[in-house]
Amino acid sequence: QSALTQPASVSGSPGQSITISCSGTSSDVGGYNHVTWFQHHPGKAPTRIIYDVNKWPSGVSNRFSGSKSGNTASLTISGLQTEDEADYYCSSYAGRSTYVFGTGTKVTVL
Amino acid sequence: QVQVPESGPGLVEPSGTLSVTCGVSGDSLTRTNWWSWVRQSPGKGLEWLGQIDQDGGTNYSPPLRGRVTMSVDKSKNQLSLKLTSVTAADTAVYFCARHSGFSHDLWGQGTMVTVSS
Repeated sequence: QSALTQPASVSGSPGQSITISCSGTSSDVGGYNHVTWFQHHPGKAPTRIIYDVNKWPSGVSNRFSGSKSGNTASLTISGLQTEDEADYYCSSYAGRSTYVFGTGTKVTVL
Repeated sequence: QVQVPESGPGLVEPSGTLSVTCGVSGDSLTRTNWWSWVRQSPGKGLEWLGQIDQDGGTNYSPPLRGRVTMSVDKSKNQLSLKLTSVTAADTAVYFCARHSGFSHDLWGQGTMVTVSS
């Protein structure tokens, strides 16, 4: 099981939209509609912002949106805000009761 | 509000055993079917270590099988993780995370464990 591949960093100006990719295989991202995205401020608990590819947990802003095409999932942050500056991780169910996480992306708001 | 604070030894000697606990507060551990353990090594991404259900059923990450043991103590509303024969590569922040469907919806802040002599 290899980690899902994410860009190391993505940046944008306030108000802009950015997209983070999460590349896997047909055994994880491509095989199941169970991709989750987390926001993580170091030193704090990760927060789930998208689950099952494109669903919002209660209380999460709809500025975050998720999608998937083939073996690649994506997280789009619209109307970028300074508080969005954080690390973002994807994860996917990988079958046989196992999970795999992404390499993580540092989002910088310029 | 449900919280899942982790606690650990801070420092473990190489070849020793790492033990971390996760106390569930604000809810009963048994209300959730599955819990996972995840770690983040310095400068790296998250790594899924395995999962345990309320009755002690487990699924471990293949690379760690043979070294990892997860357990649940319903009387203490607590989860435990043990990792044996540790090396510097096991230095990480260790998190517990609650399952909701095929996702992890609640995490602790994590506890840092350093493997060093």
